Amino acid sequence: EVQLLESGGGWVQPAGSLRLSCAASGFIFGSYAMSWVRQAPGKGLEWVSTISGSGGTTYYADSVKGRFTISRDNSKNTQHLQMNSLRAEDTAVYYCAKGPGTGRFDYWGQGILVTVSS
Amino acid sequence: DTQMTQSPSSLFASVGDRVTITCRATQDINNFLAWYQQKPGKVPKLLIYAASMLQSGVPSRFSGSGSGTDFTLTISSLQPEDVATYYCQKYNIAPFTFAPGTKVDLK
Repeated sequence: EVQLLESGGGWVQPAGSLRLSCAASGFIFGSYAMSWVRQAPGKGLEWVSTISGSGGTTYYADSVKGRFTISRDNSKNTQHLQMNSLRAEDTAVYYCAKGPGTGRFDYWGQGILVTVSS
Repeated sequence: DTQMTQSPSSLFASVGDRVTITCRATQDINNFLAWYQQKPGKVPKLLIYAASMLQSGVPSRFSGSGSGTDFTLTISSLQPEDVATYYCQKYNIAPFTFAPGTKVDLK
């Protein structure tokens, strides 16, 4: 059974940093692209970032480019999202998502809330 | 970048009704189009990929069609458990943009 478990969320002040992690199990982690998708309170889904199975290729939404960094450790079946220079508009539930291919998502974690506020 | 739109933004329908949601891309995305269902307070769920391929375990009353820039999600006979917001998403190339969503509720 595929399981994705996010951790590392919480409250942070504007301009602060936070690192999200996603622990994966139930599939051959290194064979699949992984992504982060977020959802601001009461809003729609927003794709944030994707990393290829090998970790050699990364993609970012313009809204986070230069501030967020996606990475993965295939030996630990874990992906991360390092979020720097956080803004109020980054407040959202962040979902870890697995792709059968790059850019689409067949399994999602339960999500973790990130709140950016002074 | 290619933008994604959906219509309507919300709809009310009765149990048993046929429901159709339209998704449009501002540029040709071939068939790199997915549909997701998000029930209130729940995690999004993949329904359809490659515009018309039903994800394993999804009821056959859901279907998708289209190619290029215009796509449709159809629920052939709406059930109470289908109350949700539905999103289309392009995945041909990054950015892998979601449309704003269509909220489906019971009349």
